[in-house]
Amino acid sequence: QLVLTQSPSASASLGASVNLTCTLSSGHSSYAIAWHQQQPEKGPRYLMKLNSDGSHNKGDGIPDRFSGSSSGAERYLTISSLQSEDEADYYCQTWGTGIRVFGGGTKLTVL
Amino acid sequence: EVLLVESGGGLVQPGGSLRLSCVASGFTFSRSWMSWVRQAPGKGLEWVANIKQDASEKYYVDSVKGRFIISRDNIRNSLYLHMNGLRAEDTAVYYCARELFSFDYWGQGTPVTVSS
Repeated sequence: QLVLTQSPSASASLGASVNLTCTLSSGHSSYAIAWHQQQPEKGPRYLMKLNSDGSHNKGDGIPDRFSGSSSGAERYLTISSLQSEDEADYYCQTWGTGIRVFGGGTKLTVL
Repeated sequence: EVLLVESGGGLVQPGGSLRLSCVASGFTFSRSWMSWVRQAPGKGLEWVANIKQDASEKYYVDSVKGRFIISRDNIRNSLYLHMNGLRAEDTAVYYCARELFSFDYWGQGTPVTVSS
C-alpha cells in the first residue's frame, strides 16, 4: 500500500534552516513526490516535484530558499533563511495508477 | 496567469446532493488531467477524484465510489463534481487542482457542510 509518512510538527527559528521529511512506504522508494505549502486560512500552493535522484522542479514564483533532496525512501524539503510567512502546513504527495496520496502534513512553527 | 475558481458549495442535509463547479483559465484545460481534493475541518488534504483530458479515465477514492461523479466540459473549461448521498464525513473544503501527477495549480476552495 502506497503511504506517505510525515512528522506532525516541526519548529525552527527565524532566519535558520529546517528540513522536513516525507517517508515513502516499503516497496515505493523509487517514487517521485510533490511538496505543497498551506498557509493558515489559505488554499494549498505547489512548491515542487521531487524525484528519487533528488532533482526537483519548482512551481512558479517559489523562492530559492526552498529546495528538495532524496535519500532512499526519504524525501526532504529544506527551507533556508526562515521567514515568518513560512509558518504553514507542509504536505507531501505522490501518485500511483488511479490513486493520488497525501502525507498527513507537518505543521511548521517559526520561532 | 492560471486561475481555478470553484463554486457550488453550501449547506446540505445528509443524503442530499450537490454539484461543485470549477472554471479554469490561463492554460489549455483540454490538455490537462484535473482533480478534486478535499480538506475536512482541522484535517489534512485528501484526494477525492480525477479525470483524464478526454474523460476516458476517471478515478475515485474508495470512500466516495458510487456516490460522487467527476465530469468535465472542455468547451466551457469547466470541471464538475456531482455529489450524491452526502454524509457528515463529506464535510470539507473542496479544491479543484490541475495535475500532472502532482497538483501544480490549486483553486481557493468551496466549502461543503453536510448537516441536518
